[in-house]
Amino acid sequence: NAGVTQTPKFRVLKTGQSMTLLCAQDMNHEYMYWYRQDPGMGLRLIHYSVGEGTTAKGEVPDGYNVSRLKKQNFLLGLESAAPSQTSVYFCASSSLGASGGGGTQYFGPGTRLTVL
Amino acid sequence: DQQVKQNSPSLSVQEGRISILNCDYTNSMFDYFLWYKKYPAEGPTFLISISSIKDKNEDGRFTVFLNKSAKHLSLHIVPSQPGDSAVYFCAASSLGANSKLTFGKGITLSVRP
Repeated sequence: NAGVTQTPKFRVLKTGQSMTLLCAQDMNHEYMYWYRQDPGMGLRLIHYSVGEGTTAKGEVPDGYNVSRLKKQNFLLGLESAAPSQTSVYFCASSSLGASGGGGTQYFGPGTRLTVL
Repeated sequence: DQQVKQNSPSLSVQEGRISILNCDYTNSMFDYFLWYKKYPAEGPTFLISISSIKDKNEDGRFTVFLNKSAKHLSLHIVPSQPGDSAVYFCAASSLGANSKLTFGKGITLSVRP
């Protein structure tokens, strides 16, 4: 099992450009999450999905869109990148939701994005 | 408003000694707590968890203690090893419709040989 994989690993964008980050998991997990990690800020939830075809906003959703057309994939889109979106992005998945300790989240290796 | 707080950004301990990483929370609805470990250039990995019905959970060298009245938990690593040097995140979740984890900012642990 590859677990959770993320594509690409690194990317440099210019302000205003768009891109899509791909997350794939092979564990048949229902729940998937996108986080960003910034220095001194910990992990902040951007968007998440509780199943195929569903998405929901997290703590910092502005400037991002997501789609979950297939159970194993969760895409994060930046329509018009801004320097404030320079960050490391992590995708995670779990078999159950976090409520009451339902599901351990498994993380991908991250995508380092720089917006100039 | 930060609901999960890791107030010490870093900790340095000698190999073989105990490492104690602290975490405080403000949301009384949190009922499950987890610790994740993260090495540079890798994603976080699950380390240990504890339910609010317990006050202690142990897994090998790692023990998590929960003090609900103080809204405080701590991770003890005994004995500490150089390979434990990493960033440790405390996270919490609550019952109900919330499927999300709330993470603290992390603590960087350095274990000196």
